[in-house]
Amino acid sequence: AQSVAQPEDQVNVAEGNPLTVKCTYSVSGNPYLFWYVQYPNRGLQFLLKYITGDNLVKGSYGFEAEFNKSQTSFHLKKPSALVSDSALYFCAVRDGNSGNTPLVFGKGTRLSVIA
Amino acid sequence: GAVVSQHPSRVICKSGTSVKIECRSLDFQATTMFWYRQFPKKSLMLMATSNEGSKATYEQGVEKDKFLINHASLTLSTLTVTSAHPEDSSFYICSAPPGLSTDTQYFGPGTRLTVL
Repeated sequence: AQSVAQPEDQVNVAEGNPLTVKCTYSVSGNPYLFWYVQYPNRGLQFLLKYITGDNLVKGSYGFEAEFNKSQTSFHLKKPSALVSDSALYFCAVRDGNSGNTPLVFGKGTRLSVIA
Repeated sequence: GAVVSQHPSRVICKSGTSVKIECRSLDFQATTMFWYRQFPKKSLMLMATSNEGSKATYEQGVEKDKFLINHASLTLSTLTVTSAHPEDSSFYICSAPPGLSTDTQYFGPGTRLTVL
């Protein structure tokens, strides 16, 4: 079985400062990892994914995430936060050895960027 | 990226009525679609897997007679909430994987259901 932990319900950061949203995962097979962002009353927008290859993955809107196998982590980062980055962020995992299975989501982290 | 649409985006209904939500993949075929439910300020919980040409697979605790799923074609899956009650009020989101397991799953914009 797969699981995702996002230890922080809320992250507050000042505009222009770097931000980190934490995610750790558990999967029995090969981890396929994803980050999505959700704005109020909207669906999920894909940010980035790690399937294989370089541990540092770059995605949309200047976001990046680093896959760390030993720590089973996939933290989301951005060098300089914008007020418009304020939203709900979800980390998700799928076992790559199990075919086209649904994603398992973390509980979400609300990011608030303060001007 | 691939586009998934949902209709309606918002619906308000009376208790006891049934509501149908459509999920369409607009530029790709999806033999499988997933239906999620999201409670306020909570994560997405998988409800069921919709399979084209066969019965849906429901997660534990999800009533299959209450949440009817029909995967009518390779681009359309429907979720019908039967005899809706206020506790069914929620945000329902579908997703469709384009094909390969390495592909990104794209999500519909969601449907806000309010049962009075």
